[in-house]
Order: sequence, then C-alpha cells, then structure tokens
Amino acid sequence: DQQVKQNSPSLSVQEGRISILNCDYTNSMFDYFLWYKKYPAEGPTFLISISSIKDKNEDGRFTVFLNKSAKHLSLHIVPSQPGDSAVYFCAASVSTNAGKSTFGDGTTLTVKP
Amino acid sequence: EPEVTQTPSHQVTQMGQEVILRCVPISNHLYFYWYRQILGQKVEFLVSFYNNEISEKSEIFDDQFSVERPDGSNFTLKIRSTKLEDSAMYFCASKKGGSWWEQYFGPGTRLTVT
Repeated sequence: DQQVKQNSPSLSVQEGRISILNCDYTNSMFDYFLWYKKYPAEGPTFLISISSIKDKNEDGRFTVFLNKSAKHLSLHIVPSQPGDSAVYFCAASVSTNAGKSTFGDGTTLTVKP
Repeated sequence: EPEVTQTPSHQVTQMGQEVILRCVPISNHLYFYWYRQILGQKVEFLVSFYNNEISEKSEIFDDQFSVERPDGSNFTLKIRSTKLEDSAMYFCASKKGGSWWEQYFGPGTRLTVT
C-alpha cells in the first residue's frame, strides 16, 4: 500500500520558469507534510513543510500548497535555477512526537540553463 | 549549522557478518530514526527511538536489527547477520521534538553485502 505517491518520476524545466512537483497521499491521518531535496550520494535535505491546518506555506522561492480534500500537495519553485536540479521527495507524517515520515518515490527535477 | 553525521560512509561486508552503523544526531534533538534506501527505490522507515527505547519499528526491522544509544551522542544500528538484500543506503535522522516536526538527515552509509 503506497500511502504517498509522486506520479511524475521526472520533470524538466527551463531556468527562470516555474517548477511544479506534485504529491498525493491516501492516509487521512497524515497531518504534516514535508519536502526534501536529495543530491546523489547525500542524505535528504529538508526544504519546506506544511501543517494540515494551513493550505499554503512560502519560503523564498519555494511554496508548498496543500489541498486536504483532494489529499494532494504541490511544491512550486519560482524562479527555477540550475542548482535546483535534484531528486525531490514528498514525505508525510502524523504529528505525534515520534512520528516517522513516509516518503514518496521522488521526482527528479532537471533545470536547464 | 549543526548537522547529523554518519560513519562509515561506505561499508563492505560478507553475508552473515555483523555490521554496526554509527550516527551522531544533532545535539539538542530528542528523536532519532533510521531509514534505508535500496538502489532505485524509495526511502523506507526502519525504526524510531526516543527516551532510550524504540518508539516504532517497521516490518523490515526484524530480529536481525537492533538500535542503541550507548552514550549521550551516538546512535547505532546493528545488523546481526547481514543478507544480500540488506545492501542499501542507510540514513540516520534526528528531530528536535515539541512543535518542530522536521527530521534532519545524515549523509548516509552505503552498505554493500557480498
């Protein structure tokens, strides 16, 4: 049972344009969502998060949108830069103290100069 | 900026041998985790640890696995008798707790079982 899905394995965008990465989840208990960025041979790096009480969270070029009724979230990167090229993982958790994160399969973003 | 560190970066072992993967979480964090990523697959939860005991473990985390926080800084994952299918990247993560839900990951240990 794949509780967190990222249906696009890859995305390619031009530098300066918007990148939109999507994520769907099935477990209604999830109430905290995170995006991680991962370069090869490195661990996931926390990027941005959102609680289920919000529908939007913004941090610089990164904005995460949450649609609880659709069980869908998205990460917008504007403007995209070549250094943003990496694998992006969506993760979801239940905000209990020891809550683990359940990860999606990842989307490889390539930003072309 | 504080970070999670892991040693070794790469461990090669023979099937049936014991391995210990080591992690130093961020110093004021209270919750600790191990995840793994088999090549080409997703990051999978193994175990969470708080207050010197396991909080939750996945079905992957069977009797061959154990975790320990032997002192105030290290957090270890032991695999008692490695199998070929244990070959993966193993990531340690830590979380502050309270209203801080983000987990911070180490760079990983690549375990190769031959």
